Amino acid sequence: GAGVSQSPSNKVTEKGKDVELRCDPISGHTALYWYRQSLGQGLEFLIYFQGNSAPDKSGLPSDRFSAERTGGSVSTLTIQRTQQEDSAVYLCASSLGFRAGASNYGYTFGSGTRLTVV
Amino acid sequence: AQSVAQPEDQVNVAEGNPLTVKCTYSVSGNPYLFWYVQYPNRGLQFLLKYITGDNLVKGSYGFEAEFNKSQTSFHLKKPSALVSDSALYFCAVRDMGAYKYIFGTGTRLKVLA
Repeated sequence: GAGVSQSPSNKVTEKGKDVELRCDPISGHTALYWYRQSLGQGLEFLIYFQGNSAPDKSGLPSDRFSAERTGGSVSTLTIQRTQQEDSAVYLCASSLGFRAGASNYGYTFGSGTRLTVV
Repeated sequence: AQSVAQPEDQVNVAEGNPLTVKCTYSVSGNPYLFWYVQYPNRGLQFLLKYITGDNLVKGSYGFEAEFNKSQTSFHLKKPSALVSDSALYFCAVRDMGAYKYIFGTGTRLKVLA
């Protein structure tokens, strides 16, 4: 597609429910990233995909968070047993890829999913 | 460890006046520095980056940023602010060997008519 597409744009869920957030990156972008934007906290790195594998999951806050990517394209971020502190905007970004030592490519961000846990 | 600081939560400036949004960084090696802008209900949009070369970098929408190695700063500037520049601005750093950005906490710019 022309840009990074995220769905849903807004999600309100009850505490304890599971949610799935979807990211459709730009066609051909092999690298995909999830970030979380909380009020006053800036953007917090969650996970990085290169193709279908995730060499860096270090930012996932707990084992309630998981993510997968299939076909080198769409990615799903799943939050199980949601808590109120999970409320945030979840941003997905993609890029052409990463090569160690090179200046590399900038990210293209999606518009985000605003998650509210009540 | 890499870090980015944006010391101002909000900057107010009158339309037509010059604007500056401050950013300082800390990295172990040579930094790659970026500015992104976020309009309401939109994703982050790339403004400009410094990789190497001239310390003054020009970007989108008339913005520019000056890399100052001795002060470890990368302040965003524009000679004449527009009301439409009102948005949330993020500074980010990436180490040369790294694949992920470290973002600052953001500065909300408000341009008053």
